[in-house]
Amino acid sequence: TQLLEQSPQFLSIQEGENLTVYCNSSSVFSSLQWYRQEPGEGPVLLVTVVTGGEVKKLKRLTFQFGDARKDSSLHITAAQPGDTGLYLCAGAAGGTSYGKLTFGQGTILTVHP
Amino acid sequence: NAGVTQTPKFQVLKTGQSMTLQCAQDMNHNSMYWYRQDPGMGLRLIYYSASEGTTDKGEVPNGYNVSRLNKREFSLRLESAAPSQTSVYFCASHGYTEAFFGQGTRLTVV
Repeated sequence: TQLLEQSPQFLSIQEGENLTVYCNSSSVFSSLQWYRQEPGEGPVLLVTVVTGGEVKKLKRLTFQFGDARKDSSLHITAAQPGDTGLYLCAGAAGGTSYGKLTFGQGTILTVHP
Repeated sequence: NAGVTQTPKFQVLKTGQSMTLQCAQDMNHNSMYWYRQDPGMGLRLIYYSASEGTTDKGEVPNGYNVSRLNKREFSLRLESAAPSQTSVYFCASHGYTEAFFGQGTRLTVV
């Protein structure tokens, strides 16, 4: 069974601060996805990283996939109240388990004005 | 474009009652999934269907059954609901690199 450990579980910061969320595993994933979920809604994809060492930027969000494809991080620069939500990482297996996602526990981010 | 549609949005059941959660997608995806979400535990896979006509167990299948009615529809059935099944349930369909989720069903079993 593949496991993804996501940390921290809770993050409460002031507007303008920077933050990093980590996603770690002992297993190798074919790709790693980050989702954002708002209350009463389903998760929505932010980004998919596929190549070891890959870095992707989405405005103030920077996503990195570890060289060994076992870990990932999400860094937010100058957080804003609109960034508040639940962030989930999810690893995709390959081979016969193609398409199945393993989710981390999630990080609840609150950005105070 | 509706994406993934789940019904109902809310449901309260008494212990021992049965119900079926419905899910339909209009993106022509082969694979569909049912997850449950509990505080501090992320999303856990209950059952999935890699293609029409096939279903497989996920991480937490006990107490659930599924039916892949056709390519569009994938239903989840609770035969005899238990309080431990109180949760938020999400249906998803997967494209090549992305999962699309429904809005969820908040189920309470009393």
